Amino acid sequence: NAGVTQTPKFRVLKTGQSMTLLCAQDMNHEYMYWYRQDPGMGLRLIHYSVGEGTTAKGEVPDGYNVSRLKKQNFLLGLESAAPSQTSVYFCASSYVRALAPSYNEQFFGPGTRLTVL
Amino acid sequence: AQSVTQLGSHVSVSEGALVLLRCNYSSSVPPYLFWYVQYPNQGLQLLLKYTSAATLVKGINGFEAEFKKSETSFHLTKPSAHMSDAAEYFCAVTFTGNQFYFGTGTSLTVIP
Repeated sequence: NAGVTQTPKFRVLKTGQSMTLLCAQDMNHEYMYWYRQDPGMGLRLIHYSVGEGTTAKGEVPDGYNVSRLKKQNFLLGLESAAPSQTSVYFCASSYVRALAPSYNEQFFGPGTRLTVL
Repeated sequence: AQSVTQLGSHVSVSEGALVLLRCNYSSSVPPYLFWYVQYPNQGLQLLLKYTSAATLVKGINGFEAEFKKSETSFHLTKPSAHMSDAAEYFCAVTFTGNQFYFGTGTSLTVIP
């Protein structure tokens, strides 16, 4: 199993350009997440999805959109990139345990380093 | 607000010394707590998790953490540091299973 993969690994954009980050998981996980990691701020949740066709806002959703058309894929879009979106982006997924309450760890991808000039 | 705080953004220990990384949470409901490790230019990997089964949790690579409700803490320890332990460590909490809240991270340096 490849686990969680992210495409691309690196990207440089100019202000105002758009792009889509792709996250794919082959573990049949229901939940998927997008985070950004900035120095001194840890990981902050951008958007998440609890199943195919559903998405929800996290802590810092402004300037981003997401889609979950297939269970295994979770796309993060930047419509008009800004320098403040320079960051490392991580995708994660987790499974749902049948018996509650017991929450399961997230599995992370290797990250995408995005620079907006 | 429900959150997690990691005290000390940088910790240095000598090889063979005790490692202690601190994590405190604030919550009005029972939390589920996690410690992750991040090596340079990599994603996060799970070290251990607390899900109410036992207050002392053992993880990978000799790490363990103890959940103390009275202190709202979940500190990470390892009796003897190894050079390979040098990394960034994150404490995380979830209350619903939908959203996870991460601390700001602690960078561990191991001095030979």
